[in-house]
Amino acid sequence: DQQVKQNSPSLSVQEGRISILNCDYTNSMFDYFLWYKKYPAEGPTFLISISSIKDKNEDGRFTVFLNKSAKHLSLHIVPSQPGDSAVYFCAALRVSGGSQGNLIFGKGTKLSVKP
Amino acid sequence: NAGVTQTPKFRILKIGQSMTLQCAQDMNHNYMYWYRQDPGMGLKLIYYSVGAGITDKGEVPNGYNVSRSTTEDFPLRLELAAPSQTSVYFCASKAIANTGELFFGEGSRLTVL
Repeated sequence: DQQVKQNSPSLSVQEGRISILNCDYTNSMFDYFLWYKKYPAEGPTFLISISSIKDKNEDGRFTVFLNKSAKHLSLHIVPSQPGDSAVYFCAALRVSGGSQGNLIFGKGTKLSVKP
Repeated sequence: NAGVTQTPKFRILKIGQSMTLQCAQDMNHNYMYWYRQDPGMGLKLIYYSVGAGITDKGEVPNGYNVSRSTTEDFPLRLELAAPSQTSVYFCASKAIANTGELFFGEGSRLTVL
């Protein structure tokens, strides 16, 4: 049973517009949520995270929003640039309750930003 | 800065062959991980280690073995390769338990024919 779900396999956006990537989760015990970015033939790289006690975290063009009641988070990229074209993975982490701190990843969303 | 280094980058195996994927990190991280990524799927945890001499199974450990004799190295062994093990394998590390910031290697693409 998937604990972290990214229901959109792909997203296409025009350069300069907003990209919104969505993620849903089932376990209310997660402490942190993270987004990773992956280019072809490279390993994933950490992008941005949010604590479960926050509802928003912003880093430059990237903002992550967390809605705990809906068990939903989203990554907003504004403005989108062609270099943002990549696969984005949502991940969740539980550090409390004796957890080993292992990340659980969604299946990813492929973002294409068109010039 | 080398970070996390994986070798080889590509390998083709025949069914039943064995091989070891090497992973080394130079950041003195205690926590190391092996993931596999299949097309259209997320990253599935194979094995992990919280320090030298300590390893544990992840979500999909069958057909694999690991060892952690040093802090730096975390090799992944495939004993009897099967077509189901065709995948891209990623090694990753992190410094402490309560952080989600993993540092990944570039991946090793394995094909079993």
